[in-house]
Amino acid sequence: QVQLQESGPRLVKPSQTLSLTCTVSGASVSSGDYYWSWIRQHSGKGLEWIGYIYNNGNANYNPTLRGRATISAGTSKNQFSLRLSSVTAADSAVYFCARERNYYGAGSLFDYWGQGTLVTVSS
Amino acid sequence: SSELTQDPAVSVALGQTARVTCRGDSLRSSDASWYLQRPGQAPVLVMYGKNNRPSGIPDRFSGSTSGNTASLTIAGAQAEDEADYYCHSRDNSGNHVLFGGGTKLTVL
Repeated sequence: QVQLQESGPRLVKPSQTLSLTCTVSGASVSSGDYYWSWIRQHSGKGLEWIGYIYNNGNANYNPTLRGRATISAGTSKNQFSLRLSSVTAADSAVYFCARERNYYGAGSLFDYWGQGTLVTVSS
Repeated sequence: SSELTQDPAVSVALGQTARVTCRGDSLRSSDASWYLQRPGQAPVLVMYGKNNRPSGIPDRFSGSTSGNTASLTIAGAQAEDEADYYCHSRDNSGNHVLFGGGTKLTVL
């Protein structure tokens, strides 16, 4: 059974860098079969994709974040991390990590999600 | 365009049929997947591709696609189906993930 768990500081000061880690059990982040994403959700709002890492090092990001996000594989094969720089109150949200995979045909799906962690940006 | 558009809210009487739709250019070349999210919980996959249900999802859930529109249909909606529903696909480049804005389904 695959499980994902987010961890990291719940309170970050404005202008600082938000750092979260996703610990994966039951699967390897280095596997080329999956995309490992960070997704956030502002209170009462929809899902916003931040970016993903795949093939143990390649990454793609949501252009709306204007280069502030960095996703990297951890030193352990079972972790990947998010760093979001220059945060403001607008970055306060629940942050999820999730696994995406392609399936036959022309599509992809998120089959496993972490429970999410609330991060608040405040002085 | 790189967007998926959903109606913000849909309501359905208990036991009746609800349809949630998702529109976007990317859906002409990439199938949608659908997620149910209850308050305080992570999203859960309920449908993917043309009409594929993950294990454990009731068969009252079905999916379809026509042109640039994907639909999730719930036949005989139950109280526990009340939730937010999100569609997802990749954009036309295949490099970026898209989510619809979400539809709040109310079962009356």
